[in-house]
Amino acid sequence: GAVVSQHPSRVICKSGTSVKIECRSLDFQATTMFWYRQFPKQSLMLMATSNEGSKATYEQGVEKDKFLINHASLTLSTLTVTSAHPEDSSFYICSGGRGSQETQYFGPGTRLLVL
Amino acid sequence: AQKITQTQPGMFVQEKEAVTLDCTYDTSDPSYGLFWYKQPSSGEMIFLIYQGSYDQQNATEGRYSLNFQKARKSANLVISASQLGDSAMYFCATVHFIQGAQKLVFGQGTRLTINP
Repeated sequence: GAVVSQHPSRVICKSGTSVKIECRSLDFQATTMFWYRQFPKQSLMLMATSNEGSKATYEQGVEKDKFLINHASLTLSTLTVTSAHPEDSSFYICSGGRGSQETQYFGPGTRLLVL
Repeated sequence: AQKITQTQPGMFVQEKEAVTLDCTYDTSDPSYGLFWYKQPSSGEMIFLIYQGSYDQQNATEGRYSLNFQKARKSANLVISASQLGDSAMYFCATVHFIQGAQKLVFGQGTRLTINP
């Protein structure tokens, strides 16, 4: 299978600060990466689709100025939660595949707690 | 629009028994795929099995098999000889292709607990 890593695994920050989460494909090149959000006891909700070298495509209701996504290389995508607030506390998971129509492999997730 | 329905919020099964997790889907795509993922308490999403809508045979991967009934729009996951380590959340998902890229649409999940 394909391996995807995320960093950090857990982060606690103060309200108003920005947090960057990294998603890396370790043994394959991911043209497309996806960012999901999962609240406790709920399913995963797609936030945005990240394409290498181009702007991310955001799902309806997701603020692109608050959740900044950068896909600078075929192995790295970053999600920055700007001016985080307690309601942004959640589990953020990224995924990637070898091609846009390939099986998605997920990272281990990042638990964000905003105080 | 694509939709996945998992009607079992929780399942309790004795170790070594087989278990079936239900999944029904609704999609407008003529060609589609169905996935099952396992999410342990650690949070990672582990890919288990995939079924393409035009696959002639039901998918199998070790102890996992998919009971795909296209006419009923169901894609139930069957786990044989359950183990304690199978306790986790299980998500069924369908893939929706839009503008050349895929998007996964997940069901609400089923929490499986294996009792010793």
